Amino acid sequence: DGGITQSPKYLFRKEGQNVTLSCEQNLNHDAMYWYRQDPGQGLRLIYYSQIVNDFQKGDIAEGYSVSREKKESFPLTVTSAQKNPTAFYLCASSIFGRPGATNEKLFFGSGTQLSVL
Amino acid sequence: AQTVTQSQPEMSVQEAETVTLSCTYDTSESDYYLFWYKQPPSRQMILVIRQEAYKQQNATENRFSVNFQKAAKSFSLKISDSQLGDAAMYFCAYRSGNQFYFGTGTSLTVIP
Repeated sequence: DGGITQSPKYLFRKEGQNVTLSCEQNLNHDAMYWYRQDPGQGLRLIYYSQIVNDFQKGDIAEGYSVSREKKESFPLTVTSAQKNPTAFYLCASSIFGRPGATNEKLFFGSGTQLSVL
Repeated sequence: AQTVTQSQPEMSVQEAETVTLSCTYDTSESDYYLFWYKQPPSRQMILVIRQEAYKQQNATENRFSVNFQKAAKSFSLKISDSQLGDAAMYFCAYRSGNQFYFGTGTSLTVIP
């Protein structure tokens, strides 16, 4: 079955440590996204990528980094510069669409809960 | 910049009754798409319903329907015959090209 796999489900970070969240999709989607969700709040965009080897910052990119070396994979690194990393992180993907051209939804992974030790 | 506003942080409904969740958005574009996502306690995001802005007819999916008012930039979700399994966080979302914008969500409680 096609879908998005995020791992791990739970992750703990020590102070000063970088951690990487994995996101893999087999939907052949060009566009991939990382969102952060804090308790009782909506989704805030961290980074997105529309094509391999290219990505753009979202609204809250500071303290995070990404790579897009393969179409299927879009890992997110939470660096030590991110002082408040505790949150639920959602990876998503969608087909690429020019403005107004597609109604395709976002497909979501099951998320990673990151906590600070 | 596009923004999506959900003005009801929490709502409750009696089982089998009908509830409407509100959503407004701000955009200067004419072609875009709107979505309602459900996030149950499992935190898996599930698409409930979608609407194309160029369609005047309101979308429906079984017990879920929308009231899309393009001029007013309003996109409310109506849940009929509410069930216990409808209890969740509901997010309104707007798509333009490859950008998605989300509201802050409405937490729906279903009372038995």
